[in-house]
Amino acid sequence: QLVLTQSPSASASLGASVKLTCTLSSGHSSYVIAWHQQQPEKGPRYLMKLNSDGSHTKGDGVPDRFSGSSSGAERYLTISSLQSEDEADYYCQTWGTGIRLFGGGTKLTVL
Amino acid sequence: EVQLLESGGGLVQPGGSLTLSCGASGFTFSSHAMSWVRQAPGKGLEWVSAISGGGATIYYADSVKGRFTISRDNSKNTLYLQMNSLRVEDTAVYYCAKEGLGIPLFDYWGQGTLVTVSS
Repeated sequence: QLVLTQSPSASASLGASVKLTCTLSSGHSSYVIAWHQQQPEKGPRYLMKLNSDGSHTKGDGVPDRFSGSSSGAERYLTISSLQSEDEADYYCQTWGTGIRLFGGGTKLTVL
Repeated sequence: EVQLLESGGGLVQPGGSLTLSCGASGFTFSSHAMSWVRQAPGKGLEWVSAISGGGATIYYADSVKGRFTISRDNSKNTLYLQMNSLRVEDTAVYYCAKEGLGIPLFDYWGQGTLVTVSS
């Protein structure tokens, strides 16, 4: 069964870097995912498409501070030079036969 | 510039019906599959339904199958979600989302419309 697993929360200091993880369930390590950001009281925003080889394509206007990488079934979102506006919920998303699927989301706190 | 604008949300009693609309602009609407995604208060994102660019292929989440109907009018660049037999647990902000060409990843989102199911 296709499942995306994310840690519920993460924190890092202003100006530092943070790496968020999305783990694909067993047997699905080749899947492409997307990362989405949802700032407080706002709708989601597409950040990037991330392939299994770590190559990624970012959405319109996404800052260079956001990057993606992959290792096996793990998909990562790295945010460098953290800013206060990066405090948000981050969701990974993929698809299967007849479905689209989200991870549970990670709430990022910028200290 | 891609724009997605949802409308039609509101307060409805359990068992009632509501139709949401999503007006699209800034891209070739008929070329892209579209989805509805919802978010209950304080919860994560939940995919609800998807429809192919031409409208021939439709998918639903198990939680709404048999109660919700997705459709589109490509001449009006508009996506719809007809919601029947609404339950308290359908209370959520409903977003429409554009999918990439040939890949079911959401690359643009609307601002959402709130549906509240309550007596």
